[in-house]
Amino acid sequence: EVHLLESGGGLVQPGGSLRLSCAASGFPFSNFDMMWVRQPPGKGLEWVSGIRGSGHTFYADSVKGRFTISRDLSSNTLYLQMNSLGAEDTAVYYCVKGYWGDHWGQGTLVTVSS
Amino acid sequence: DVVLTQSPLSLPVTLGQPASISCRSSQSLKHRDGDTYLHWFQLRPGQSPRRLIYQVSNRDSGVPDRFSGSGSGTDFTLKISRVEAEDLGVYYCMQGTHWPPLTFGGGTKVEIK
Repeated sequence: EVHLLESGGGLVQPGGSLRLSCAASGFPFSNFDMMWVRQPPGKGLEWVSGIRGSGHTFYADSVKGRFTISRDLSSNTLYLQMNSLGAEDTAVYYCVKGYWGDHWGQGTLVTVSS
Repeated sequence: DVVLTQSPLSLPVTLGQPASISCRSSQSLKHRDGDTYLHWFQLRPGQSPRRLIYQVSNRDSGVPDRFSGSGSGTDFTLKISRVEAEDLGVYYCMQGTHWPPLTFGGGTKVEIK
């Protein structure tokens, strides 16, 4: 059974940094594309970043240059390093298996506020 | 970027009655490989999103057969044949044909009339 468990969310001041983690299990992690999708409070879903099985990475324009997606194949963990955070980054962040979104984690809340 | 426009924004329904959600794309979602990468997701209150339909019309495992997807090119529809209480929530379409970026529709909230 596929399982995705995010962690690392919390309250951070504007301009600060945070690293999200997603522990994946139940599938061959290295073979699959993974992505991060967020949902700001009261708003819809927004794709943030993705990493192909090949390791190639992609970013939404809104986070390019500030966020970095990476993975550790030895521990089956997906990461999202978030720098220069602003209020607009406040959201629930979901770890998602596959570019077709077949499985989602429970989400972790990031709040950017002073 | 591809823009997906969902309608209606809010869909008041009567339990046991059908419901239909539209998703229109700013450009054709038929990929050069011949497939169409348009998917539907359900977001129930307090839960994480769940995919219901992939590639227009394929139901995911465990999804009740009252859910169906159809469409082609730029116009797509998610239908619920008989709405049940557990179907209440927000529904999103998402395209993966022209990316990056992957894009989502704005969402349709299905609620009790």
